[in-house]
Amino acid sequence: GAVVSQHPSRVICKSGTSVKIECRSLDFQATTMFWYRQFPKQSLMLMATSNEGSKATYEQGVEKDKFLINHASLTLSTLTVTSAHPEDSSFYICSAKGGGSVGEQYFGPGTRLTVT
Amino acid sequence: DQQVKQNSPSLSVQEGRISILNCDYTNSMFDYFLWYKKYPAEGPTFLISISSIKDKNEDGRFTVFLNKSAKHLSLHIVPSQPGDSAVYFCAASDRSNSGYALNFGKGTSLLVTP
Repeated sequence: GAVVSQHPSRVICKSGTSVKIECRSLDFQATTMFWYRQFPKQSLMLMATSNEGSKATYEQGVEKDKFLINHASLTLSTLTVTSAHPEDSSFYICSAKGGGSVGEQYFGPGTRLTVT
Repeated sequence: DQQVKQNSPSLSVQEGRISILNCDYTNSMFDYFLWYKKYPAEGPTFLISISSIKDKNEDGRFTVFLNKSAKHLSLHIVPSQPGDSAVYFCAASDRSNSGYALNFGKGTSLLVTP
């Protein structure tokens, strides 16, 4: 299947700082990228949907000013957690979709964020 | 509000036998269903999908069954292998409304013992 990378895989930051997570589709052009968040033993919760060149669509309850998403190109989307707090500590996963059926949505390996 | 539910958090099956993972959903607008396999600290890997116009889809050892009237789907793995041990997520999409965004269940942890 297609390859999606995320960087960094793990990050520890202090409360109040901002953290940027990159999601890249390595061998296909991703018209749409999704950002998910997973708490321990919970399901993946969709945070936002981003289409290249347009503003992201955020799910209800997700603060768009806190979780800044930029889908600058067909292979790169970034999620910036601004003014991070300990409750933002979580596992963040992106997925990328090219053309084709909804099954052709490939997930990155995830980023473990710990805010101290 | 959890629209996709996997009520069994864990399942243990002996190698060679059938594993049956269940999933229920509440949104009748869902028209595409997927199963993903996930290892700890990794992203989900797509396994198999089914459209709402079908009631069965088979791919090798994996078969997904869909019962729209009951809003229920299941994933059958036969024969089960130790390498199948992982967390399995059921996901659903309402393509007409939300495009390709996925709604996930909480997952079922499958353990296949030798």
